[in-house]
Amino acid sequence: EDQVTQSPEALRLQEGESSSLNCSYTVSGLRGLFWYRQDPGKGPEFLFTLYSAGEEKEKERLKATLTKKESFLHITAPKPEDSATYLCAVSNYGGSQGNLIFGKGTKLSVKP
Amino acid sequence: GAGVSQSPSNKVTEKGKDVELRCDPISGHTALYWYRQSLGQGLEFLIYFQGNSAPDKSGLPSDRFSAERTGGSVSTLTIQRTQQEDSAVYLCASSLILPEAFFGQGTRLTVV
Repeated sequence: EDQVTQSPEALRLQEGESSSLNCSYTVSGLRGLFWYRQDPGKGPEFLFTLYSAGEEKEKERLKATLTKKESFLHITAPKPEDSATYLCAVSNYGGSQGNLIFGKGTKLSVKP
Repeated sequence: GAGVSQSPSNKVTEKGKDVELRCDPISGHTALYWYRQSLGQGLEFLIYFQGNSAPDKSGLPSDRFSAERTGGSVSTLTIQRTQQEDSAVYLCASSLILPEAFFGQGTRLTVV
């Protein structure tokens, strides 16, 4: 069964304290892996798509990496405005392109 | 331009009543998705529309759930004979480049 597991469930950081969020996945055939950010009361906001092992994407303080079994979202020198829940999702070749399998997310809190 | 718009933002209904949730996607986006997010759970795929192709309904949890997309634009998700377990946030998303989806704010459905 295809599944996505994110860890930790919650992470508290001090401003400027870099860290990484983990997304482990098992799928029959990975079409792509996606990272989203979700603020309370809002829909998820698209961040990155990764398609193959070794690929990396960066946006401001965020960098996403992909291996054959997991993805990491690295946060460098975070600021309080980076506080949010970060969601990981995968699409597999066994399903339609619209059928994304989401993890439960990592809730990040960055304290000033 | 405007983002994905969902209405209503909140809906409280009595058990057994039917509800309709509306989604206005971003103009020109050919793909439209419905997901639901229950407390403490990841996003759960419901249905996916792509252009004029037959929709992927594989995520609909029961025959009480149905969705349509008129004219390749607006979509309506209908839940008949609502049950308390239907309480959740229902999220709609649209995309032009699959699957970089743009989500709406969601409709919070409470069945009492």
